[in-house]
Amino acid sequence: DSGVTQTPKHLITATGQRVTLRCSPRSGDLSVYWYQQSLDQGLQFLIQYYNGEERAKGNILERFSAQQFPDLHSELNLSSLELGDSALYFCASNEGQGRKFDTGELFFGEGSRLTVL
Amino acid sequence: AQSVTQPDIHITVSEGASLELRCNYSYGATPYLFWYVQSPGQGLQLLLKYFSGDTLVQGIKGFEAEFKRSQSSFNLRKPSVHWSDAAEYFCAVGPSGNTPLVFGKGTRLSVIA
Repeated sequence: DSGVTQTPKHLITATGQRVTLRCSPRSGDLSVYWYQQSLDQGLQFLIQYYNGEERAKGNILERFSAQQFPDLHSELNLSSLELGDSALYFCASNEGQGRKFDTGELFFGEGSRLTVL
Repeated sequence: AQSVTQPDIHITVSEGASLELRCNYSYGATPYLFWYVQSPGQGLQLLLKYFSGDTLVQGIKGFEAEFKRSQSSFNLRKPSVHWSDAAEYFCAVGPSGNTPLVFGKGTRLSVIA
């Protein structure tokens, strides 16, 4: 158990809909990272938050957005869903250490599997 | 852009046999290198990491990896594979630009009796 909690574990929805994925980082971690894992693209970095502020942005679509709340949990919002958005979405966390990227270990949750029909 | 290549998509080994998973990277400076394992239905777990120093690093579960700068490689090895090692293995390098870790596409390991 990494200490990172993601909900829901599985989600099935229809095209055009909107979903919210939730992540609770390890106790004490300030940085939260979101990754998307799909068969064709592999693991793709989406976005990072550090202590409530966006710190880095990767291959995140404009239809997707995220935020980190004062209690440090994070939510990834996916809207106008398309079939190609079906994937496993991982949240990871680490201490952050105030630098852009803490080059230590990322602790991953078990992921939220999204299926868009 | 930095990249990671794992040439083998799927490897099958017999239980008790040795294992080597290949990883090649493209990185402009001295890389930070990682191997993660993903068991079915689980998140990614760090096996080992290389930042500097001794080029042979030891990890959890009996794994080790060797950093070879001249070959831009960071191959993962285990002398004797157990059935519980069946999983997906990912090599990663980072940080790179706006990305904390760049992952390879993974190698799926199957273990047969």
